[in-house]
Amino acid sequence: AQTIHQWPVAEIKAVGSPLSLGCTIKGKSSPNLYWYWQATGGTLQQLFYSITVGQVESVVQLNLSASRPKDDQFILSTEKLLLSHSGFYLCAWSPPGELYFGPGTRLTVL
Amino acid sequence: GEQVEQRPPHLSVREGDSAIIICTYTDSATAYFSWYKQEAGAGLQLLMSVLSNVDRKEEQGLTVLLNKKDKRLSLNLTAAHPGDSAVYFCAVSATSSGQKLVFGQGTILKVYL
Repeated sequence: AQTIHQWPVAEIKAVGSPLSLGCTIKGKSSPNLYWYWQATGGTLQQLFYSITVGQVESVVQLNLSASRPKDDQFILSTEKLLLSHSGFYLCAWSPPGELYFGPGTRLTVL
Repeated sequence: GEQVEQRPPHLSVREGDSAIIICTYTDSATAYFSWYKQEAGAGLQLLMSVLSNVDRKEEQGLTVLLNKKDKRLSLNLTAAHPGDSAVYFCAVSATSSGQKLVFGQGTILKVYL
């Protein structure tokens, strides 16, 4: 069975500080991987997707970047956090038309 | 691009009653339809997904109906119980890879005793 892990579980960071969020998936080779962002009480916004190692497509511009250094790993990062980056970050993998989400990372930017 | 409207934004039902959530979409090429449940502070859990050639699907007290003519997708929780209290999202995709899954705004469901 596939399992998806995210780290850290939660972060409290200062405006202007760097950020790195991680996601790994086990039990699935060459998965399509996604980063989603969810504002408190809001819907989900797709940020990035990746269909293979080293290839990442950006969906929206939020002063964030993503990388896929390994087949099972997806990283979300920024060098300078903004207040608007606060929210819930979810990693997911996808067979056609479905998404299986990780547990998420709660980010608070102060 | 695809637009999805979900309603109601809030729904309260008594235990044992049914709860119905509806999404409408705009792209007639939409091929994949799914429903997700999000409990407080947690990620999303896939409840059920259907392809565009399916009009109705039932699983474990959940019924998904797809009306392609009206571009409407619904989720019916029959005999809701307090453990069903959560936020529910519909999501649709026009591509087979799911790369452009578009989510509804979410429905906060509360089931009371």
